[in-house]
Amino acid sequence: NAGVTQTPKFQVLKTGQSMTLQCAQDMNHEYMSWYRQDPGMGLRLIHYSVGAGITDQGEVPNGYNVSRSTTEDFPLRLLSAAPSQTSVYFCASNPAGTGLFYGYTFGSGTRLTVV
Amino acid sequence: RKEVEQDPGPFNVPEGATVAFNCTYSNSASQSFFWYRQDCRKEPKLLMSVYSSGNEDGRFTAQLNRASQYISLLIRDSKLSDSATYLCVVRSGGFKTIFGAGTRLFVKA
Repeated sequence: NAGVTQTPKFQVLKTGQSMTLQCAQDMNHEYMSWYRQDPGMGLRLIHYSVGAGITDQGEVPNGYNVSRSTTEDFPLRLLSAAPSQTSVYFCASNPAGTGLFYGYTFGSGTRLTVV
Repeated sequence: RKEVEQDPGPFNVPEGATVAFNCTYSNSASQSFFWYRQDCRKEPKLLMSVYSSGNEDGRFTAQLNRASQYISLLIRDSKLSDSATYLCVVRSGGFKTIFGAGTRLFVKA
């Protein structure tokens, strides 16, 4: 029972590089999302998806792209990394529909440093 | 003003103490409320949902006051293993979820 799996756990990028953070869940959850967590701030929503083929922007979407081709996978792409994107990134899922009253299941996070 | 505000702490308490955290939210249309626990360098994990009538899970009690727009978490008989950051989470319709910045708790022997 893997839950939500994120890879990689750690990554160092140079400014301007691109990369994809992977997220997969095996709970058949319709809702998936990406958050970033910075010191002294709450988790902030980057992008979310309510099902395969459906994505939408969150609070801080600039510099990130997402796609949802399957229920299981929800990758986050950094288009051109900037030092301001240094953060811890969490993927989360939730059963949509009744999801408003269910908590999220988080992946273990990706610590990204942009130099 | 932040949509969800928490006292960042840290709260330093001895084992066996009772400690309470409060969280205020600004959106009166908020529909569901949660407390999460986050250990250092780990992901947040759901601790408990918060219901209007108040709810208890072992040593943990959560309460909601819609009129004053705050939720609380009470931990009784604190254990060393309770040391963590506690996140207040508020959800409204349309998948809008707001996380508080968290309250750090240190329980000492």
